[in-house]
Amino acid sequence: QAVVTQEPSLTVSPGGTVTLTCGSSTGAVTSGHYPYWFQQKPGQAPRTLIYDTSNKHSWTPARFSGSLLGGKAALTLSGAQPEDEAEYYCLLSYSGARLFGGGTKLTVL
Amino acid sequence: EVQLVESGGGLVQPGGSLRLSCAASGFTFSSYEMNWVRQAPGKGLEWVSYISSSGSTIYYADSVKGRFTISRDNAKNSLYLQMNSLRAEDTAVYYCARAHFDYWGQGTLVTVSS
Repeated sequence: QAVVTQEPSLTVSPGGTVTLTCGSSTGAVTSGHYPYWFQQKPGQAPRTLIYDTSNKHSWTPARFSGSLLGGKAALTLSGAQPEDEAEYYCLLSYSGARLFGGGTKLTVL
Repeated sequence: EVQLVESGGGLVQPGGSLRLSCAASGFTFSSYEMNWVRQAPGKGLEWVSYISSSGSTIYYADSVKGRFTISRDNAKNSLYLQMNSLRAEDTAVYYCARAHFDYWGQGTLVTVSS
């Protein structure tokens, strides 16, 4: 079974930019993995930020963007806000089955 | 307003069974694929299962294959997860989530312990 990898933790300064990545043990992540990005704050259900690599929901703040970068899926946060401090998860699809990454704890400090 | 409400969680002994339900409202349930996702206490998210809008296509995570069964009743706007041969490692909050994971329920806690 594939393994989806994320940075365990990252720190960004308020107003700064940070990129979270999502890799696959099977090789390069492509649009065919339909990458998703989720934000989860303590005690809350996850909230989807990005689907199908780069598509945003109506509630996704404009400062978040999704892309493919160097064989991985990437979530870029430009202009970090204190409220962006959270756990971020990616999800990849493998011919029907889905796998989450282990999550990245993002600290805004 | 889209709403997903899970129920059926609780305490069960190892080897036991439990059936989770997810009641959907605010959208045409029969038109949407659905998923179950779980989260063990203090741990990350784990995708559990997927079912197509008609129920004809189903996928499971390897960790639950052969023990869990996903199903739906479009007439009742409901999604189900039948969980058999439960293990301690199945202890988690179980969420139902719509198609592109755009809407999630609040979750129901399943605790497997003797």
